[in-house]
Amino acid sequence: NAGVIQTPRHKVTGKGQEATLWCEPISGHSAVFWYRQTIVQGLEFLTYFRNQAPIDDSGMPKERFSAQMPNQSHSTLKIQSTQPQDSAVYLCASSPPNSGNTLYFGEGSRLIVV
Amino acid sequence: TQTVSQSDAHVTVFEGDSVELRCNYSYGGSIYLSWYIQHHGRGLQFLLKYYSGNPVVQGVNGFEAEFSKSDSSFHLRKASVHWSDSAVYFCAVSGSTGANTGKLTFGHGTILRVHP
Repeated sequence: NAGVIQTPRHKVTGKGQEATLWCEPISGHSAVFWYRQTIVQGLEFLTYFRNQAPIDDSGMPKERFSAQMPNQSHSTLKIQSTQPQDSAVYLCASSPPNSGNTLYFGEGSRLIVV
Repeated sequence: TQTVSQSDAHVTVFEGDSVELRCNYSYGGSIYLSWYIQHHGRGLQFLLKYYSGNPVVQGVNGFEAEFSKSDSSFHLRKASVHWSDSAVYFCAVSGSTGANTGKLTFGHGTILRVHP
């Protein structure tokens, strides 16, 4: 069991450029979550999918952030026109069916916007 | 609106000491309460959770937590800490029904530092 795999682990991007982060959930897990972690805001929920369907994207900044889950083996988080305030660690987590909300997190993708 | 409060930003103890990390929550409805640990530069790892039944739940590495409905609390404890327990500890709450299932709200975390 390789755990949740996130790539890239580190990304530096220029202001205004696009950044795409990838997540491979644990095989057999039915739900995938995206969180953002910063020193100031802590852990913020962004969005989640269950059985590949988007369930709740209430934490996503509407204009520049989007997330997809095209198949059960990966999800992407795309940030268009990145801004310095997007700098954060983006954490992906997956959860097996009937797990009672137990999340398994990846190591995170650290995004730095300069 | 669900909120989680971890009143202690930092806790420092010596190896072998007992420790309690505090967590208070507010949520209107049936919930899951859980604790996660994050070592520096790593992702979060699940420690334990409570949903119903015995209010004292056991987790990995000797951790336990006690749910109190009257106090709206879910404090984490360990009887004898090891230096490797040094990490950030997050308390989390989530609903147990509908779309709120799985959407965890985290506290700001407590940094536990264990001196050898």
